[in-house]
Amino acid sequence: GQNIDQPTEMTATEGAIVQINCTYQTSGFNGLFWYQQHAGEAPTFLSYNVLDGLEEKGRFSSFLSRSKGYSYLLLKELQMKDSASYLCAVRALDYKLSFGAGTTVTVRA
Amino acid sequence: ETGVTQTPRHLVMGMTNKKSLKCEQHLGHNAMYWYKQSAKKPLELMFVYNFKEQTENNSVPSRFSPECPNSSHLFLHLHTLQPEDSALYLCASSQEAGGSSYEQYFGPGTRLTVT
Repeated sequence: GQNIDQPTEMTATEGAIVQINCTYQTSGFNGLFWYQQHAGEAPTFLSYNVLDGLEEKGRFSSFLSRSKGYSYLLLKELQMKDSASYLCAVRALDYKLSFGAGTTVTVRA
Repeated sequence: ETGVTQTPRHLVMGMTNKKSLKCEQHLGHNAMYWYKQSAKKPLELMFVYNFKEQTENNSVPSRFSPECPNSSHLFLHLHTLQPEDSALYLCASSQEAGGSSYEQYFGPGTRLTVT
């Protein structure tokens, strides 16, 4: 099974950088996903890591260390529209996704 | 617009009612999923269909009954629900249920309240 931990809430100022950490324990690892979910809306795919290292996509980057069971999502140059919940999800060898409870990020002006 | 639609968006039902949730994907995917999202809790996988065949039932009570008539449509039939079943029910689709980097695309969800 999977055990996925991420902080419940984070607050940051517009233009700043925020790092959301995700730690996981799994019996079989087959990739890690980050999703963004605005209140009342569908989760949308942000990033995917299966090998160690950093994946960069514009203002968002995601890092993975499989040996440490650790990932982070880095949000740079924060904008008000980045206020949302960020979900860490780990895929097992049977391709099922297990999600963390989500981190609510609030961006202040 | 993610290409996955769900109806209704909001549903209030009594414990003795029978209702159905509908999901439709316009992405040409072959796998569809039902998830339950309760407040402050992780998304819980309920059912998986791959090429119209149910491949996963994650110990879901029988008062939830899925139906997948084709790869584009997925239903969740509800009957004799309990108040603790109140949650956001999300549908998702992906190219296949197995595979390398196939991300899942989510619908906007149905907010269900059981009274």
